Amino acid sequence: KQEVTQIPAALSVPEGENLVLNCSFTDSAIYNLQWFRQDPGKGLTSLLLIQSSQREQTSGRLNASLDKSSGRSTLYIAASQPGDSATYLCAVDPNTGFQKLVFGTGTRLLVSP
Amino acid sequence: NAGVTQTPKFQVLKTGQSMTLQCAQDMNHNSMYWYRQDPGMGLRLIYYSASEGTTDKGEVPNGYNVSRLNKREFSLRLESAAPSQTSVYFCASSEKATSSYEQYFGPGTRLTVT
Repeated sequence: KQEVTQIPAALSVPEGENLVLNCSFTDSAIYNLQWFRQDPGKGLTSLLLIQSSQREQTSGRLNASLDKSSGRSTLYIAASQPGDSATYLCAVDPNTGFQKLVFGTGTRLLVSP
Repeated sequence: NAGVTQTPKFQVLKTGQSMTLQCAQDMNHNSMYWYRQDPGMGLRLIYYSASEGTTDKGEVPNGYNVSRLNKREFSLRLESAAPSQTSVYFCASSEKATSSYEQYFGPGTRLTVT
């Protein structure tokens, strides 16, 4: 059974710092991996999706990498801002053909001014 | 551009009551999903619908039923609510035909069962 772990569970940094969020998964047979952002009391917003054949994806200050063989992904946030404060979730598609995502429990990020 | 909408936003039920959570998407997606989110457990898939007319169980289907009414709408029904079903429920949709195959989420329904 696929399991997804995110470390750390919470992270507090000062504004301007570069930071890395980690996601690990137990079964490397994935179709893709998706990073989401969730603001308190809100739904999930997709940030980046990495196909299993890709190594990384970039969007603005965000860069996500994927090492499928080792079961790891990282989300790099450059020059963090208070507006980046949110919970970040990673989810893997275990390649069943039906995109039945398996989620990690998230990293709660607080960026202080 | 509404995306995925859910109603209601909040609901309080007594044990044993029934209710239906509604979800609709306007992106012409074939696949739709229902998840629940509990503290410390992440999101877990309840049911999904790969296309209109089909539904299947996810990881935690017990106590729930679903209906894929048409391509746009996918409802989740609690026949006899239990306190263990207190959670935040999210609906999502996706389209495999697109190159990205991202899932798009609704704003959620916060359900409390007393």
